[in-house]
This record gives sequence, C-alpha cells and structure tokens, in this order.
Amino acid sequence: QVHLEASGGGLVKPGGSLRLSCAASGFGFTDYYLGWIRQAPGKGLEWVSDISSGSGTYINYADSVKGRFTISRDNVKNSLYLQMNSLRPEDTAVYYCSTEGGGYRLFDNWGQGTLVTVSS
Amino acid sequence: EIGLTQSPGTLSLSPGERVTLSCRASQSVPGGNLAWYQQKPGQAPRLLIYGASSRATGIPDRFSGSGSGTDFTLTISRLEPQDFAFYYCQQYGYSSSTFGQGTELKI
Repeated sequence: QVHLEASGGGLVKPGGSLRLSCAASGFGFTDYYLGWIRQAPGKGLEWVSDISSGSGTYINYADSVKGRFTISRDNVKNSLYLQMNSLRPEDTAVYYCSTEGGGYRLFDNWGQGTLVTVSS
Repeated sequence: EIGLTQSPGTLSLSPGERVTLSCRASQSVPGGNLAWYQQKPGQAPRLLIYGASSRATGIPDRFSGSGSGTDFTLTISRLEPQDFAFYYCQQYGYSSSTFGQGTELKI
C-alpha cells in the first residue's frame, strides 16, 4: 500500500528557509516521478515542482518558486525533499507530496501535507 | 497555459440526489488529459477520475466523468453523505499543469 508522509513544515520569517521531507513506502520508489503541490489557506491547489523517476534527471518548477525552491530525491532513503529559500508570505500553504502515476503530472497518491507559515 | 473554470462555485444538495459538476478549459485539453480530485476538510486530495472518464482505483461507480475538448463534467449519480466535499479538475500531461478553482458540494 502506497504511503507518503510529509514533514518539516513550521513557522518561518520572510526571507527564511525551510526543508520539507516526504518519506515514501509501499511502492517502487525509483519508478515514479514525484511532485509537490501546495494549497494556501482556503484556496485551491497549485503545482509547485516535480522530479523524474530514477536518478531525478528532469526537474521542473512553477514560475512562482523558480530560483528559490530546490527539489531532490534520495532513492536509498525513499525520500523526497523540497528546500525552500527566500520564503515569502505568499508561500504560506499546506504542502503535499505526491506520486505522478498514469500520466505526467497526474497525482495518483498523496501524502497528508505539512503546513508552512511565513510570517514575521 | 490552459485555464480551467469550474462551475458552480458552491452547490447545496441532499443525499440521494444526482449532481453534475462542470469544468471548462480556456483551450482544448490535449489528449483529453483531464482529472478530477475530491478533497474533504483537513485531508489531502484524492484522485477520482483521469483521462476525462476513467475511474481511479477503488472509486465507486456512482462517480463518472465525461467530456472532451474544452468541456468536461463529473457526475455523481446518487449522493452519499461522504461525497460532500470540494472537487477540483486538473489538466495534466504537459509542462504546464493547472487546477480549477474548485466546486464545494454542501449538504
């Protein structure tokens, strides 16, 4: 059974940094593209970033986070990461990790989410 | 970037009723790559429908999707109490993936 557990969220000041982690189990980790999607309080869903299967050669970011966020994966630890730098108040959201199965950017399994709050 | 507009924003219905939610794209969705997700308060979204009309694993057959081009619908044939939630459509499969703003289904 696929299980994804995101962690690492918290309260951070504008301009600060945070690293999110997503521990995965129950599936062939290296076979899947993985992604991060966020949801601002009371708002809809926004794709943030994804990384290709295997060694993670292909990486993409939404324009809103490009140059500030870095996605990575550790295939030994079966974990996905999101390093977030230069955080802004508009980055405040619940961040979900997900597998992309059945299609590029089709999010078929989701973790429970971790809340990031950027505020002074 | 393809924009997705969902309607209505909010819908109030009763268990047992039939409901159809709409998702309209600003341009044709390539390959019919349109998905629907359900999200309950405090929970992560759950994939319901992909490829406009294919049910994801474990999704009851009271959920069905249809459409092509720019107009897509999600139908729930007989609402059950656990179906009252937010529903989002998403176009996927290409470098720019976008979600609709959501429809809230209220009891």
